[in-house]
Amino acid sequence: DADVTQTPRNRITKTGKRIMLECSQTKGHDRMYWYRQDPGLGLRLIYYSFDVKDINKGEISDGYSVSRQAQAKFSLSLESAIPNQTALYFCATTGRGPTEAFFGQGTRLTVV
Amino acid sequence: QQQVKQSPQSLIVQKGGISIINCAYENTAFDYFPWYQQFPGKGPALLIAIRPDVSEKKEGRFTISFNKSAKQFSLHIMDSQPGDSATYFCAAAVGTDKLIFGTGTRLQVFP
Repeated sequence: DADVTQTPRNRITKTGKRIMLECSQTKGHDRMYWYRQDPGLGLRLIYYSFDVKDINKGEISDGYSVSRQAQAKFSLSLESAIPNQTALYFCATTGRGPTEAFFGQGTRLTVV
Repeated sequence: QQQVKQSPQSLIVQKGGISIINCAYENTAFDYFPWYQQFPGKGPALLIAIRPDVSEKKEGRFTISFNKSAKQFSLHIMDSQPGDSATYFCAAAVGTDKLIFGTGTRLQVFP
């Protein structure tokens, strides 16, 4: 089984719809992250959580929200999807401090 | 505001050649500099990392060169192979804080 599992892997949704992307990890790490990948823009941080009771905005949090349901689960929601949120989304987890980040396989989201 | 600037955006190298990807940063508090490799359809994975107390780290064909005074670090892939074709991201972090990623370099190695 993968260390970090994202569901769904692909999703097409309509403008204005609410959508949730889910992430679970088996590394036992405290820290979890949501990134968005766009060509030429790299990996941009949307939200991150250093423990179950901690939620922090990243550089591009507008239009997104998150929920940390448990140490192993971190979900990302788009309350009202818009076409420029079409992108590849990655969840990741790290231990405390500057350690290796483990990424999921990504969710390709298309908003039409 | 791009805290870690990466270049080039894309790179084409012949098999057996040397691939070089560069990154520059502004925040002198950064003290951890990893490189991640991403194959199509996969998430990024750690390739190699360096801390600023050394100027070079080598793992097989992959080497990080670090220039603290210039605030630059680079990834060198020696004897590049078609299997190295991937997107490479540099990153940086301060202490125990979150990673800041560069914009990525798409490397294509042709036989």
